[in-house]
Order: sequence, then C-alpha cells, then structure tokens
Amino acid sequence: SQKIEQNSEALNIQEGKTATLTCNYTNYSPAYLQWYRQDPGRGPVFLLLIRENEKEKRKERLKVTFDTTLKQSLFHITASQPADSATYLCALANSGYALNFGKGTSLLVTP
Amino acid sequence: NAGVTQTPKFRILKIGQSMTLQCTQDMNHNYMYWYRQDPGMGLKLIYYSVGAGITDKGEVPNGYNVSRSTTEDFPLRLELAAPSQTSVYFCASRTETGNFAGELFFGEGSRLTVL
Repeated sequence: SQKIEQNSEALNIQEGKTATLTCNYTNYSPAYLQWYRQDPGRGPVFLLLIRENEKEKRKERLKVTFDTTLKQSLFHITASQPADSATYLCALANSGYALNFGKGTSLLVTP
Repeated sequence: NAGVTQTPKFRILKIGQSMTLQCTQDMNHNYMYWYRQDPGMGLKLIYYSVGAGITDKGEVPNGYNVSRSTTEDFPLRLELAAPSQTSVYFCASRTETGNFAGELFFGEGSRLTVL
C-alpha cells in the first residue's frame, strides 16, 4: 500500500539552529513533492514544491531536497526562530489530481 | 481577496442528523477538494472535483456526498451523521498546471462534532 511517513515525534530545537524534517514514501512514483505548514486551528499553507528532476530547492531560509532513489525528501529550516514553530506536512501524488499527505511533524523552536 | 471560505467553522450534530458544509472559492480554480483531519493524523481525501459537474471519490468517501454545480462552490453533505465523522474538515482548491499539481489553497476548516 502507499505510505507517506514523517517523524511522529515532535522535534524540539534551539533558536538559531537548523531544523531538519524527514519525509519517506513507499509505492509512489511522484512527479513532485510539496511541503506545507500548519498552525494550530488553521488550514495548511503551501511552502515549497520540488519536482522529480530537481535535487534541491531553496526559498529564503527553507531548503528541500528530493531523492527519488532513497524515496525521501528532507526539509531544512536554517537559523530557526520561535515563529517557525508549527506542524510541517509533506504531500505528494503519482500524477494528476489529488495530493496525499503525511501525518506531519511538529516543530518547536525555543528561545 | 477571500480565497477559500468555509462555513460553518464549528458545528455539533446529533447522531443521525444531516448537514452540509459549505465551501466557496473566488480564485476561479477548477480543482477543488475536501479533506478530513483527525487528531494526530494527516489529511485524508474525501472527494474532489476537476470542474463544474465532475466529482470523484477520494480515499474515505463513505457517509459523504458532494456536488459541483458552479466553479466557485463545492459543498460537502453528511448524511446520517455518525461519531466516526467527528473531525476537522478542510476544503482546498488549486489551479490547473499541466502535469504538475499546483499548490493547494486551504480554507480555515470546519470543526464538526457528532454526539
């Protein structure tokens, strides 16, 4: 069966450090992978998309890598800030219409 | 620019009651989706639509129905509510971008409790 796995345990890091979140998948051949941020009581908000032929994508303090051989994406937040505390969701689809989501990883950045 | 608007934000239903969750978007997106999110779980796709008059089932469609009579609106109907339908429901939309799905724009969610 298709699975999207993200670290279920919350990630606690100190302000200024780099946070690294992992997304592993099985039985998908995704054309692209997306990352979303979700704050408590709010809808998810899109952050980054990376395509299968891209190894790395950057946006300000965010960096995403995509390894289709390992079937894994890593999401990095450099110089993390308390405002980065949220749940981060990985999402992907084989093709076409609908995105499937992982359960998300909760990130807590402490001052 | 309102984006994706969901109503109601909160609702309590009794077992066996029915209701409709409303979703409207003002971005002229063809693709619209309904997801549910249970505590500690990811988003599970209920139904989706690729345009007015076209709908299809997602991963967890049982107990729900949808319609898409206009581009803007995609209501989700719950028939004979059950406690298992207690969840937070998110509506989302996106534009069509060829072979690659564009980013999803989500509403703020509708929190439903069935007692």
